[in-house]
Amino acid sequence: DVKVTQSSRYLVKRTGEKVFLECVQDMDHENMFWYRQDPGLGLRLIYFSYDVKMKEKGDIPEGYSVSREKKERFSLILESASTNQTSMYLCASRGGTRDNEQFFGPGTRLTVL
Amino acid sequence: AQTVTQSQPEMSVQEAETVTLSCTYDTSESDYYLFWYKQPPSRQMILVIRQEAYKQQNATENRFSVNFQKAAKSFSLKISDSQLGDAAMYFCAYRGSRGAQKLVFGQGTRLTINP
Repeated sequence: DVKVTQSSRYLVKRTGEKVFLECVQDMDHENMFWYRQDPGLGLRLIYFSYDVKMKEKGDIPEGYSVSREKKERFSLILESASTNQTSMYLCASRGGTRDNEQFFGPGTRLTVL
Repeated sequence: AQTVTQSQPEMSVQEAETVTLSCTYDTSESDYYLFWYKQPPSRQMILVIRQEAYKQQNATENRFSVNFQKAAKSFSLKISDSQLGDAAMYFCAYRGSRGAQKLVFGQGTRLTINP
């Protein structure tokens, strides 16, 4: 089974801090995604990557950046955390023979104080 | 841009009964994919069912089935014989077919199962 893991389930940071959210998948998938989930808004795509060192902006990239140095790892970076970035962050991957399905990690609930 | 709308923020159903969750979408593409994802409380999101737009036959996975109305741009999920384990947030999602990578999600519907 595909496994997508995220470095933390819960994270509390201060305004202005630099925050790193890590995601690792074990199925050699080409595509990886970062979403944020907010009540009443569903999931919104922040960034995605279709290959190592390749990235594309999603619908809400402002305030975020990403890094994909290795195929299995996709990092989301909040350069200077703000309170409006308090949210649930979900990582997903897609590829291989089940290319029509995205596999999700457990999520990181980030609180910015 | 494609949009997905789930107009029911919350639904509830008695155990063993049938419930239908609604989803509409907007697109100018003729070929695409539609999905229903389930997110149980504090657990990972998983795929419930998917439908390819070129297929006229509605997809079915055990107790889960869809009613896909392409002309009306409607994609509802029917859960038969509801079980307590079906309680979750359900998200409808769209993906285009031309090299499109991303999913566009609806707002979600929280389903409660009453014992």
